[in-house]
Amino acid sequence: KAGVTQTPRYLIKTRGQQVTLSCSPISGHRSVSWYQQTPGQGLQFLFEYFSETQRNKGNFPGRFSGRQFSNSRSEMNVSTLELGDSALYLCASSAGRVGYEQYFGPGTRLTVT
Amino acid sequence: GQNIDQPTEMTATEGAIVQINCTYQTSGFNGLFWYQQHAGEAPTFLSYNVLDGLEEKGRFSSFLSRSKGYSYLLLKELQMKDSASYLCAVRDSGAGSYQLTFGKGTKLSVIP
Repeated sequence: KAGVTQTPRYLIKTRGQQVTLSCSPISGHRSVSWYQQTPGQGLQFLFEYFSETQRNKGNFPGRFSGRQFSNSRSEMNVSTLELGDSALYLCASSAGRVGYEQYFGPGTRLTVT
Repeated sequence: GQNIDQPTEMTATEGAIVQINCTYQTSGFNGLFWYQQHAGEAPTFLSYNVLDGLEEKGRFSSFLSRSKGYSYLLLKELQMKDSASYLCAVRDSGAGSYQLTFGKGTKLSVIP
């Protein structure tokens, strides 16, 4: 079974631009969660989608948004990029039921200059 | 909200046993996870505890005490490849929620 895939793997953007990151979950997984990882804050929850619906949202500004498609693939968008948005963005998929672990993708390393 | 604490760094010797502690204060609780993350790689699942007690899986064991808000990950017969960050994460108890709150991780260095 193929794992979670994320594209692109690396990205360099300029402050003020916007960016879209993509995540393809493991086949059959309906839950996709997004996390931001930085050295100072660790892994922080952004949002979770299940069957195309946002089920939870973390404490991030409205510049961070996401969506999920009918095939469970998910995208997240960050508008008006700031230097502090430089981070590793990780996507994780799960079967969505209680107790089922999340499988993480390799992440997208975003650098904002 | 959730608050999760774990030591920042630990060092242990190859072949030894190490215990990584995690304490949490949460408004709701629906399970505790441990993940391993090697430098530059994605986190990988190690264990899940939702009831009190010890869960053993090969060289790795995880313990949970819900009344104390405490968990530990025990690694036996340490190998050099166990050098990694170990992340403790708590699942919120909201219905249908899969939101995990992570600690900042414990960087374990295994030395010869």
